Amino acid sequence: SQQGEEDPQALSIQEGENATMNCSYKTSINNLQWYRQNSGRGLVHLILIRSNEREKHSGRLRVTLDTSKKSSSLLITASRAADTASYFCATDRYNDMRFGAGTRLTVKP
Amino acid sequence: DGGITQSPKYLFRKEGQNVTLSCEQNLNHDAMYWYRQDPGQGLRLIYYSQIVNDFQKGDIAEGYSVSREKKESFPLTVTSAQKNPTAFYLCATNAGQGMGKLFFGSGTQLSVL
Repeated sequence: SQQGEEDPQALSIQEGENATMNCSYKTSINNLQWYRQNSGRGLVHLILIRSNEREKHSGRLRVTLDTSKKSSSLLITASRAADTASYFCATDRYNDMRFGAGTRLTVKP
Repeated sequence: DGGITQSPKYLFRKEGQNVTLSCEQNLNHDAMYWYRQDPGQGLRLIYYSQIVNDFQKGDIAEGYSVSREKKESFPLTVTSAQKNPTAFYLCATNAGQGMGKLFFGSGTQLSVL
C-alpha cells in the first residue's frame, strides 16, 4: 500500500498566489521528501525534511513536518505558470521509499 | 554524462511474452528502485535493492522479477504472469545509508499489443 496520501488531489490557482499541498502518512519515518513531476517525465527532488526537523525552506518552497500527526505540508509561494506539475510526497524508512498519489497543480497565467 | 539511463523509452509486449526494462546508473549509488506509475496515479514500489546481490519486494512485486549482479545495473523483467503491465516504469537510485534523495531516470512506457 502507498505510504503517503496527498491532499488535495488537484489544485488550480492564479499566477502569483500561494499553493499549499498536504501529505499524511502511516508509519514512522527517517525523513520525508517532496518531488515534482512534469507530464510523462521522471521525478525531480525538491526538498527533504528529516524526522527531527519541523520546518525547512528552499527558495519559494516551505515544508513543515508534524511527526505526532504524521503529516507534512508543502507551500509554494508566488506561484508561476512554470510550477504547473504534479507534486508527490515520499516517505523514507531505512531506504524503503514510498510515494503518495500526488497533487496535480495548475497555475494559470 | 552522468545519471540514470532507462531503455527503451517505449516498449510493446505481446501476450504471454516476458520483456526486460533496462536501468543503468553511473552515480556509484548503492540503492536502486523500480516504481510503476499508472495514468493519473502515484508511484507504487515494485522492487528495491540496497546492495549488489540483494533485493526486496515492494508492494506490487507479483508478476515482476529483478536482478542486481552489478552495482550499476538493476534490470526489471515483466513476466507473462503480470496480466496488466501497461504503465510507465520509473527507475531511481540513491546513495543509501539514509542519504534519502532519489534520482530518477526518464522512464519506460510499456504497452500491450
